[in-house]
Amino acid sequence: GENVEQHPSTLSVQEGDSAVIKCTYSDSASNYFPWYKQELGKGPQLIIDIRSNVGEKKDQRIAVTLNKTAKHFSLHITETQPEDSAVYFCAARPTDKLIFGTGTRLQVFP
Amino acid sequence: GAVVSQHPSRVICKSGTSVKIECRSLDFQATTMFWYRQFPKQSLMLMATSNEGSKATYEQGVEKDKFLINHASLTLSTLTVTSAHPEDSSFYICSAARQGAFGYTFGSGTRLTVV
Repeated sequence: GENVEQHPSTLSVQEGDSAVIKCTYSDSASNYFPWYKQELGKGPQLIIDIRSNVGEKKDQRIAVTLNKTAKHFSLHITETQPEDSAVYFCAARPTDKLIFGTGTRLQVFP
Repeated sequence: GAVVSQHPSRVICKSGTSVKIECRSLDFQATTMFWYRQFPKQSLMLMATSNEGSKATYEQGVEKDKFLINHASLTLSTLTVTSAHPEDSSFYICSAARQGAFGYTFGSGTRLTVV
């Protein structure tokens, strides 16, 4: 089955700096790759997603890149703000269900 | 649009009792709903996939007789934790998929504490 690895597990940055989180997946059938932000005690919130027929997608300060050949995708957050602090999860969809990465705890220091 | 409501948000129950968690899609029809469990500082682990009108498909290692899932309508799925024990204490999250859409909408989660 699909296996999604995510790195780093924790990431600390200064406000205004960029943050990059990387994920790799194993199943070439995966065709959809969302990223979620989860705050303490809440459900995951979709922040950006990308389909397998697209290499890059951007939404304001957030961007995602996908390399199908290498089976990895990355989340880029620019101009980080303290409110970006949360746990971020990547996921891949090989069939109809999402398989999640292990999560990255991002801390943005003012 | 695409709102999923999950209730209750928190529940404390005594060991041996059963607890029901509801997941409703408020503004769309969810052909498929998913139930996840999340332990502290860990990722979301898929428990089961439910399709309206059919039996749920459970992931390996998940006891189907303990975690009863019902998806009786296109807008409602329920998870019942039967004979709960302290080790069942966790954060349970549902998500719903709209037919033909790629996206998944997640509920706000239910914190279950079994004492």
